[in-house]
Amino acid sequence: KAGVTQTPRYLIKTRGQQVTLSCSPISGHRSVSWYQQTPGQGLQFLFEYFSETQRNKGNFPGRFSGRQFSNSRSEMNVSTLELGDSALYLCASSSLPGGTYEQYFGPGTRLTVT
Amino acid sequence: QQPVQSPQAVILREGEDAVINCSSSKALYSVHWYRQKHGEAPVFLMILLKGGEQKGHEKISASFNEKKQQSSLYLTASQLSYSGTYFCGTAPPGESGYALNFGKGTSLLVTP
Repeated sequence: KAGVTQTPRYLIKTRGQQVTLSCSPISGHRSVSWYQQTPGQGLQFLFEYFSETQRNKGNFPGRFSGRQFSNSRSEMNVSTLELGDSALYLCASSSLPGGTYEQYFGPGTRLTVT
Repeated sequence: QQPVQSPQAVILREGEDAVINCSSSKALYSVHWYRQKHGEAPVFLMILLKGGEQKGHEKISASFNEKKQQSSLYLTASQLSYSGTYFCGTAPPGESGYALNFGKGTSLLVTP
């Protein structure tokens, strides 16, 4: 079974631009969660989608948004990029919502904002 | 609410034991444990659910004290491959259980 894939793996953007990251979950998984990882802060929860519905959102500004498609693939978008948005963005999939089931993480997208 | 992990870092010699703790200020439905090696994605180790159910790898053991909202991960007879950063993730009960909040991590280094 193929694992979670994320594209692109690396991105360099300029302050003020916007970016879209993509995540394809493990086949059959319907839940996708997004996390921001920065040194010293660990993994910070962004949002989770299940069956195309956002179930919960972390404490991030409205510049961070996402969506999930009918095939469970998910995208997250960050508008008006700031230097502080530089981070590793991880998505994780699980068969059902993340509180009860193990999550499988993708390799991440490394975003650098200059 | 981000759970608090302790210690922040630990260095072990191969064969020694370690305990990593995770504490939450809110009621919990489940506690998850993951390990991340440098440059790699976090990998699932174990889930502990309210009520006592556990799911995870046979060689990993952990406890979940629901009343104290605490969990501990026990690493016994450590091997070099145990090195990495360990994260606990907590999910509260109810609808908000969809959100998994992770601690800042515990860095573990096992030396020969």
